[in-house]
Amino acid sequence: AQSVTQPDIHITVSEGASLELRCNYSYGATPYLFWYVQSPGQGLQLLLKYFSGDTLVQGIKGFEAEFKRSQSSFNLRKPSVHWSDAAEYFCAVGASLGGNTPLVFGKGTRLSVIA
Amino acid sequence: GAGVSQSPRYKVTKRGQDVALRCDPISGHVSLYWYRQALGQGPEFLTYFNYEAQQDKSGLPNDRFSAERPEGSISTLTIQRTEQRDSAMYRCASSLATAQETQYFGPGTRLLVL
Repeated sequence: AQSVTQPDIHITVSEGASLELRCNYSYGATPYLFWYVQSPGQGLQLLLKYFSGDTLVQGIKGFEAEFKRSQSSFNLRKPSVHWSDAAEYFCAVGASLGGNTPLVFGKGTRLSVIA
Repeated sequence: GAGVSQSPRYKVTKRGQDVALRCDPISGHVSLYWYRQALGQGPEFLTYFNYEAQQDKSGLPNDRFSAERPEGSISTLTIQRTEQRDSAMYRCASSLATAQETQYFGPGTRLLVL
């Protein structure tokens, strides 16, 4: 069974600084990986996804993530954070074998942005 | 809009009452998923459908919870005899096909059981 660990519950970053949110997964084969963002009162919005191919994935709002099989990681990065990036970020893993399956989510990392 | 919609957005009920939560997926999406999200946690799987067939209900906590999608479109999650521990955000998602595809989420229904 899949599992996801997001080690950081809460991160505070200054506006304009770089950001890296960590995600580690457990799955026996090559996984499908996702990052979602949840703003207050909003639904979950997909930032980016990895299914196969290039291990560096570009997403919306200037985010990117890199799949590292050797480290079982899929960390989310942004070179310069904006105040509007303050939100909750969730990493999720889906099975690549056996058709569609429910996603398994991490517990999330809350991002605060200070001036 | 063309997104996933859920109703009601907020539901306050008394313990012991039944509630029905509705999800209207993106038109043409084959798969529909229900998740529950407690405060400070990530979404946790409840059940999912391909077309009208319930494929997996292993995430439903107990037999008070049930779901249906009779015509392969709109789905209803029903909780009978609600308890305070059922209070959570209930999220619905849909995806285009039965192969692993991106799941698009609705805004959720916030349920509060008093």
